[in-house]
Amino acid sequence: ELKVEQNPLFLSMQEGKNYTIYCNYSTTSDRLYWYRQDPGKSLESLFVLLSNGAVKQEGRLMASLDTKARLSTLHITAAVHDLSATYFCAVGKSNFGNEKLTFGTGTRLTIIP
Amino acid sequence: KAGVTQTPRYLIKTRGQQVTLSCSPISGHRSVSWYQQTPGQGLQFLFEYFSETQRNKGNFPGRFSGRQFSNSRSEMNVSTLELGDSALYLCASSWRERTNYEQYFGPGTRLTVT
Repeated sequence: ELKVEQNPLFLSMQEGKNYTIYCNYSTTSDRLYWYRQDPGKSLESLFVLLSNGAVKQEGRLMASLDTKARLSTLHITAAVHDLSATYFCAVGKSNFGNEKLTFGTGTRLTIIP
Repeated sequence: KAGVTQTPRYLIKTRGQQVTLSCSPISGHRSVSWYQQTPGQGLQFLFEYFSETQRNKGNFPGRFSGRQFSNSRSEMNVSTLELGDSALYLCASSWRERTNYEQYFGPGTRLTVT
């Protein structure tokens, strides 16, 4: 059974600092996703990583994928308050054309001014 | 282009009742997946529908069921509600093509069971 672990679960950091969220998964994946969720809101897609060594960047967020290590990271550079949210990674596995997402536990990020 | 829509947005039901939630996918998307989000269990996959057929199912009891219509709209039904069914129910739609499985999530339906 596929397991997806994220750490840390909670992260409180000061504005301007850098930090990394880690996502480990237990079996091979087809796709790795990162989502953002604000309180009471739905999931907003941030990145889709398709292959080993994939790196994507959007603003202060950068995601990478190492399929050999079964590890994805979400790096936050020079954090700002607007980045406060819960971040989820999810592994997509295809089976005869169907895809099922298995989510990590989420990392609740709080940026302190 | 309009996003994924879900109705109703909020719902309060009593134990033992049943409930039906609705999801309209992004125009052109043919796959609809449903997820349950609770503080204790996190985000869990319920099922996926494509071409009016259930293609994939998560580990939920038979009280949870769904269907998809010819216009790709989907409904999920929960019968004999339990307190533990209180959750945010999210649906997601996708093209479901060989190179594009990305799922787009709706705003969710928050179900409270009392």
